[in-house]
Amino acid sequence: TQLLEQSPQFLSIQEGENLTVYCNSSSVFSSLQWYRQEPGEGPVLLVTVVTGGEVKKLKRLTFQFGDARKDSSLHITAAQTGDTGLYLCAGASSGTYKYIFGTGTRLKVLA
Amino acid sequence: DTEVTQTPKHLVMGMTNKKSLKCEQHMGHRAMYWYKQKAKKPPELMFVYSYEKLSINESVPSRFSPECPNSSLLNLHLHALQPEDSALYLCASSHITGGETQYFGPGTRLLVL
Repeated sequence: TQLLEQSPQFLSIQEGENLTVYCNSSSVFSSLQWYRQEPGEGPVLLVTVVTGGEVKKLKRLTFQFGDARKDSSLHITAAQTGDTGLYLCAGASSGTYKYIFGTGTRLKVLA
Repeated sequence: DTEVTQTPKHLVMGMTNKKSLKCEQHMGHRAMYWYKQKAKKPPELMFVYSYEKLSINESVPSRFSPECPNSSLLNLHLHALQPEDSALYLCASSHITGGETQYFGPGTRLLVL
């Protein structure tokens, strides 16, 4: 059974601090997505990574895909209150329509 | 355009009602999905359609009935639901090859009384 473990599960930080969220699996994925979700809303795509070792930057967010395509990280620099939300990683394997979701990281950024 | 739309946004129904959730995308995606999400949990896959045919049913109770009338539309028909079916129902779509990025709709928040 494929699993994606996210850590930490909860994170409460002050505005301006940096943080990193991890997404780990023993399985190889052909691509991995990161989403942010607000309560009662659908997940909003932040990024897709597909190449082992790939690093993508989206303003203050930096995403990395592990060399072996089994793990990923999301680093936020100088967090803002607008970054508050549930962060989900989701791994996809070619040839299947089942996406494996991580357990989620609930981030709260305090003013 | 990477938009998936869902209607209604909110739905309250009794256990004897029949209702439908609707989902639409115009990205040319031929794979469409229904997920159920409980509070503070990740989405759980319910159904997958590929080329308008049901390809995955994750042992979902028959009170949930999916339908894919064409390549842009996905419905979820609800009948005789239970209070524990109250959740956020999410529609998503992706290109057909599998392993592609999924795009989610805003969801329908369902309350069963």
